[in-house]
Amino acid sequence: QQQVKQSPQSLIVQKGGISIINCAYENTAFDYFPWYQQFPGKGPALLIAIRPDVSEKKEGRFTISFNKSAKQFSLHIMDSQPGDSATYFCAASSTSYGKLTFGQGTILTVHP
Amino acid sequence: SAVISQKPSRDICQRGTSLTIQCQVDSQVTMMFWYRQQPGQSLTLIATANQGSEATYESGFVIDKFPISRPNLTFSTLTVSNMSPEDSSIYLCSVEIQGVEQYFGPGTRLTVT
Repeated sequence: QQQVKQSPQSLIVQKGGISIINCAYENTAFDYFPWYQQFPGKGPALLIAIRPDVSEKKEGRFTISFNKSAKQFSLHIMDSQPGDSATYFCAASSTSYGKLTFGQGTILTVHP
Repeated sequence: SAVISQKPSRDICQRGTSLTIQCQVDSQVTMMFWYRQQPGQSLTLIATANQGSEATYESGFVIDKFPISRPNLTFSTLTVSNMSPEDSSIYLCSVEIQGVEQYFGPGTRLTVT
């Protein structure tokens, strides 16, 4: 019940296109859903996060969509750029215990 | 956010030896975490380290193999003991800010030969 399932494993998008990465969770106690971006040789960087009291959160070109009833959330990257090429991880936690459970990761490649 | 540093950034170690990884943060934090990221894989939580208490280990990780110290609110160490090639991974520390946001250090890349 602790799993977070992420798809796709890899994604190739043309410059200017929209990148969409999906995650699904099982544990209804989860109430915090962050996305991390990781470049090779670096630690994961917090990109954007959402709580289940809103259905969407936007920060610049990055948007999280959240569907509480379906227990799914997704990351949309608008106007994707080659500099967005990285591995993206979704995660989930309960603020009661703070431990993050990570998805399997998506390798995004944006072609110029 | 927080500025987190780790030492060493990478190391190559021989089988059977131990390596201690240091994590330093630029502000006082209550909760620190240690993760392992095997090549091409996701992050797996090893343990939670709160200052003033024993670390809490996740299933599959034991204190004898991964002893952790948390002497103050800005510093923690993780030791990887009696290493084998299977311990070759990236080890990451993270800190919790504002009750929920976690920020990660740059990682320590360990190769065991």
